[in-house]
Amino acid sequence: GAGVSQSPSNKVTEKGKDVELRCDPISGHTALYWYRQSLGQGLEFLIYFQGNSAPDKSGLPSDRFSAERTGGSVSTLTIQRTQQEDSAVYLCASSSYLAVSTDTQYFGPGTRLTVL
Amino acid sequence: KNQVEQSPQSLIILEGKNCTLQCNYTVSPFSNLRWYKQDTGRGPVSLTIMTFSENTKSNGRYTATLDADTKQSSLHITASQLSDSASYICVVRGSGNTPLVFGKGTRLSVIA
Repeated sequence: GAGVSQSPSNKVTEKGKDVELRCDPISGHTALYWYRQSLGQGLEFLIYFQGNSAPDKSGLPSDRFSAERTGGSVSTLTIQRTQQEDSAVYLCASSSYLAVSTDTQYFGPGTRLTVL
Repeated sequence: KNQVEQSPQSLIILEGKNCTLQCNYTVSPFSNLRWYKQDTGRGPVSLTIMTFSENTKSNGRYTATLDADTKQSSLHITASQLSDSASYICVVRGSGNTPLVFGKGTRLSVIA
């Protein structure tokens, strides 16, 4: 497709389980972002990939969170030993990063994670 | 601390009416400011991006203004439609490697 896709759209898991969330960015976009949106809260930056550079992990809330981007395209966000406070919508965005001042981020539909 | 504050938190207006959403920020140094529309259950979609030198930018019935001196922005929606019902998120980027700072959004409901 032409847009950013994410899977699964919904994920319900038990506390303590690991989950993997997938993001397929727009083809050719070199920049990829992960965000978390909790109920009633703004978007929270998690991690940023740009080309072959080392990712900016400054937003990851704990070492239970990790992300990979293979081949400069698909990205996977992994949450280990999930906690109830991890319940949120996880959004992925990509951009072409033509220039910092104008890089429009295109968002996927998100994965709604519910930890019971 | 870099922050983006939006007001009002929520707003209900009648179809056809105009409305204005506010965004105040403390992000410094400033690079650009964006307004996004997020429909329920969907990812945000970019409406406008404004740099330091731009005071106003329009996208159809949406007009954004920016006052970089007072660190304020507004999004004006003209002749609202039912499909305008969504959350409107103000996002500010600082210079360098500062990640985007997101406001919590204004929830707009347009009713018939």
